[in-house]
Amino acid sequence: AQSVTQPDIHITVSEGASLELRCNYSYGATPYLFWYVQSPGQGLQLLLKYFSGDTLVQGIKGFEAEFKRSQSSFNLRKPSVHWSDAAEYFCAVAFLPYTGGFKTIFGAGTRLFVKA
Amino acid sequence: NAGVTQTPKFRVLKTGQSMTLLCAQDMNHEYMYWYRQDPGMGLRLIHYSVGEGTTAKGEVPDGYNVSRLKKQNFLLGLESAAPSQTSVYFCAGGRRGTDTQYFGPGTRLTVL
Repeated sequence: AQSVTQPDIHITVSEGASLELRCNYSYGATPYLFWYVQSPGQGLQLLLKYFSGDTLVQGIKGFEAEFKRSQSSFNLRKPSVHWSDAAEYFCAVAFLPYTGGFKTIFGAGTRLFVKA
Repeated sequence: NAGVTQTPKFRVLKTGQSMTLLCAQDMNHEYMYWYRQDPGMGLRLIHYSVGEGTTAKGEVPDGYNVSRLKKQNFLLGLESAAPSQTSVYFCAGGRRGTDTQYFGPGTRLTVL
């Protein structure tokens, strides 16, 4: 069955430090891959997505993610974290099941805390 | 453009009461979705729609009904609310051919 795993429930980093959030998926082919961010009390906002091509994807707010087929991973990175990055981050995969139409599965989320 | 909006933002119900959540979008999305978000479980799809007049079940459809009479609106109904339906509900829209989704701000529902 298809699944998305975010191994870290929460992560704390110092402001200015680098960040990597992990995401692993289980699917027979290459899915469509997404990272969303959710600030407190808000809906989800798309950070970046990967469909095909260059496996290093640039997103908004200085984030990037790298697709590694051999590891079934799509980890999110940022070289220098800002206090405003404190939020919850969701990895998601979308694919076309036999019934047609996309199906999206979300990971459980990783909450990022930023300390001064 | 307002994007994706949800009404109401907060609601408290008693067990057995009914209510309808409204999602409206002005982005001309063909696809619309209703999710619930619970701590530690990410988002789970309740129902979705691929076009006006069509709906389909998602991962956790029991206890909910939906309707999409107009392209821009997607309604989520609870006929007899239960405490297990206490959650934050998100609506999202998306365009045909891609599964990038645009989310509303959410509705926090508490069932006592």
